Amino acid sequence: GNSVTQMEGPVTLSEEAFLTINCTYTATGYPSLFWYVQYPGEGLQLLLKATKADDKGSNKGFEATYRKETTSFHLEKGSVQVSDSAVYFCALSSSNTGKLIFGQGTTLQVKP
Amino acid sequence: SAVISQKPSRDICQRGTSLTIQCQVDSQVTMMFWYRQQPGQSLTLIATANQGSEATYESGFVIDKFPISRPNLTFSTLTVSNMSPEDSSIYLCSVDAASDRGNEQYFGPGTRLTVT
Repeated sequence: GNSVTQMEGPVTLSEEAFLTINCTYTATGYPSLFWYVQYPGEGLQLLLKATKADDKGSNKGFEATYRKETTSFHLEKGSVQVSDSAVYFCALSSSNTGKLIFGQGTTLQVKP
Repeated sequence: SAVISQKPSRDICQRGTSLTIQCQVDSQVTMMFWYRQQPGQSLTLIATANQGSEATYESGFVIDKFPISRPNLTFSTLTVSNMSPEDSSIYLCSVDAASDRGNEQYFGPGTRLTVT
């Protein structure tokens, strides 16, 4: 079946460091891929998405490229801020049903 | 976009009892979903609730345990029946709605349930 695997956290970085959170997936067909973020005390919200191979999703300085050959969708940011501290979830949707399959989540803590 | 509210925001319940969680959306949507997020874990889809049809449950979830209602295009309820401590989780409602980035899924703030 379909699945998503993320790197385990927590990830602790200093402010302005480079961030990579790895995400790989297993799916039949051509899924859409997503990164969701859950800030402390807030609800889950969509950060970025890509719907086909080689698409790059970007938002708030974060980027992720849909790599079909490596079945990956790694999240990157060039310079993190304390306000980026949150839990990040990689997810896929493989049909028009809208159903999402989530990875286990990665906690990011950015220290000043 | 869609703004979703859930009631209650949290509750502490005794084992063997049932709790009904309400989900209200500020616009009409076809697809609504219920997820569970167990402590320290990721989100797992419980069921899809489309208006005018029976809810579709994912593997491992059954209607007797998690009955769902979807009376109209802006509202749904999820009941957690005959609760046990293993049901302690955050329960989230979500909807698929249009945005400036195409369709995306919006999530409610969640209902934090503790079963003692």
